[in-house]
Amino acid sequence: KNEVEQSPQNLTAQEGEFITINCSYSVGISALHWLQQHPGGGIVSLFMLSSGKKKHGRLIATINIQEKHSSLHITASHPRDSAVYICAVQEGGADGLTFGKGTHLIIQP
Amino acid sequence: EAQVTQNPRYLITVTGKKLTVTCSQNMNHEYMSWYRQDPGLGLRQIYYSMNVEVTDKGDVPEGYKVSRKEKRNFPLILESPSPNQTSLYFCASTSLTSKNTEAFFGQGTRLTVV
Repeated sequence: KNEVEQSPQNLTAQEGEFITINCSYSVGISALHWLQQHPGGGIVSLFMLSSGKKKHGRLIATINIQEKHSSLHITASHPRDSAVYICAVQEGGADGLTFGKGTHLIIQP
Repeated sequence: EAQVTQNPRYLITVTGKKLTVTCSQNMNHEYMSWYRQDPGLGLRQIYYSMNVEVTDKGDVPEGYKVSRKEKRNFPLILESPSPNQTSLYFCASTSLTSKNTEAFFGQGTRLTVV
């Protein structure tokens, strides 16, 4: 069973700061997902990665398959980025997701 | 609009009273799954389905049933709910035939069993 570890568990930063959230996993995967969960509870998919790097607006996600590690970066952070960010891995194409416990991010004005 | 729809959003029920949480997706996805989210434990898979009439247990299936009679629907059934099933539930779907496809989640169902 894949062990998915996220760090940090909690992060408070000031508006404008560059944010990095890390995810490591123990078993080879076919894909890694970064998800965002707002206080209302809904979960939104931010990225799905199998290699390299993806960028969407101020969000950047990278993955290093050899090191079994991924990072989510937020540039020019804003209070509306405050949410729980969850890393999830998928071992095979037909496998379910194994989730990290999430990183609770608060961006203060 | 591509979406996964769960109902109800909130439900309070009593121990032993059968209930069903519905899940429907409009993207023709093959793969659907149910997860529960609990403080300190994160999201855990309950059941999943790879296609119509194909379902299998996830990590925490005890006390739950599912069915997949149609591709778009994947209801979660609690035949005799107990207080330890109080949780936040999410349904999700994804394609098995497209590469680089993201997972779509429902809005969540907050269930309280008293």
